[in-house]
This record gives sequence, structure tokens and C-alpha cells, in this order.
Amino acid sequence: KAGVTQTPRYLIKTRGQQVTLSCSPISGHRSVSWYQQTPGQGLQFLFEYFSETQRNKGNFPGRFSGRQFSNSRSEMNVSTLELGDSALYLCASSYDGMKNTEAFFGQGTRLTVV
Amino acid sequence: DQQVKQNSPSLSVQEGRISILNCDYTNSMFDYFLWYKKYPAEGPTFLISISSIKDKNEDGRFTVFLNKSAKHLSLHIVPSQPGDSAVYFCAASGRANDYKLSFGAGTTVTVRA
Repeated sequence: KAGVTQTPRYLIKTRGQQVTLSCSPISGHRSVSWYQQTPGQGLQFLFEYFSETQRNKGNFPGRFSGRQFSNSRSEMNVSTLELGDSALYLCASSYDGMKNTEAFFGQGTRLTVV
Repeated sequence: DQQVKQNSPSLSVQEGRISILNCDYTNSMFDYFLWYKKYPAEGPTFLISISSIKDKNEDGRFTVFLNKSAKHLSLHIVPSQPGDSAVYFCAASGRANDYKLSFGAGTTVTVRA
């Protein structure tokens, strides 16, 4: 079956702009989580959605937002981009988002803010 | 605040020998631990996990050990193979945040032929 698909793979944006990233989970998976990966910081949790509801949120400013659609696809939006937002953004899907349910990651979207 | 720490950013090991990756955590609410492996230009893939009710879990060449009193876990890879060269992330989840994984910064493993 198809894996987790993230689009676009690469993005270059200017400071102050906004950006929307997309994640299509594995068919049948209802949980989508988003993570930011920066060098030396590992993966930082952004938020998790299940059945169109945000169940958990990480410690990121309100400029970072997300949503999930009825088909479980999810989007993440970052407004008023800052240079420090340059990172690899990964999404992960799982059946129910529980810790002992395997999560599958997409290849990520590499965002560069200039 | 980094609740999961991988203090060794890199590890080099000869093919056929054992690789030992270490991970420490600070949050006593964590009760489930996972290891992920990541190749360049790919997303992380699940490797092995362990619940806090156990102190060891084995899957083929991979064994994870958990020492709850020390808040420490380790991943052993025996024998190491060239295809094991990747970045390994330790992750944890707990009763207070079932839907969230806290990751360490990763350890880059290089297996030398």
C-alpha cells in the first residue's frame, strides 16, 4: 500500500511569508502528527490530529497551525516565516495515534526561509 | 526542554561488531520507548520498542534494554552490518501525552567494512 506522502518535498520562502505543507496518510490511518527536525535538536513535536480534532500540541508559537480533513489528509501552516523556521517538517500517520501503534513517517518537506 | 537525550552524536563501529547506542530521559511519566532509524532523504522508520513493564526486548539483531531506575535505555545491534549506517533516534511517550513522541537529537552510526 502507498506510504505517507508529503508535498512539496522542497520549499524556499522569504521571511514574513506564509507556507502550507500537506500530508496524505496511509489509507485507513486516522491519526496524523507533525514534527520539526533541525540539526542537533532531533524531532520536535508540533501537533497531532485524529478525526479532524487536534488532540495534542507541542510548544510552538501560534504561527504554527494545522488542520485535518475528513479524508484524514492534514495540512500544516506557518505564518510570518522567520529564518529559524528553516527545517525538515515530517508528518507521521498511524491507525489511532496511540504510543504503541506503529507510526509511519513521510519523507518530509524541506523548508528554507531566506 | 530536552526530555530525551542522546549524548553521543556519532558512533563508528566495525562490521560484525556490536553497536551500542545510549539514551537518557528525564520525564518519569514516560512509559513507552521506541527507536527509529533514518536514512538520508527518507523519513524515520520504526525499529523496536519497549514498554516500561519490561527491561529487555529483542528482535533479531536488535535488542533494547531499559533501566527505569537510571532513566536510561540502550539499543544493541549485533552484528553490525553496513546497511545499519544511519541516524538512530530514541523516542519516548507517556501516560500524560499518549499521542506525542519526544525524540532525542539522534546518533549517527557508521559501520566500517
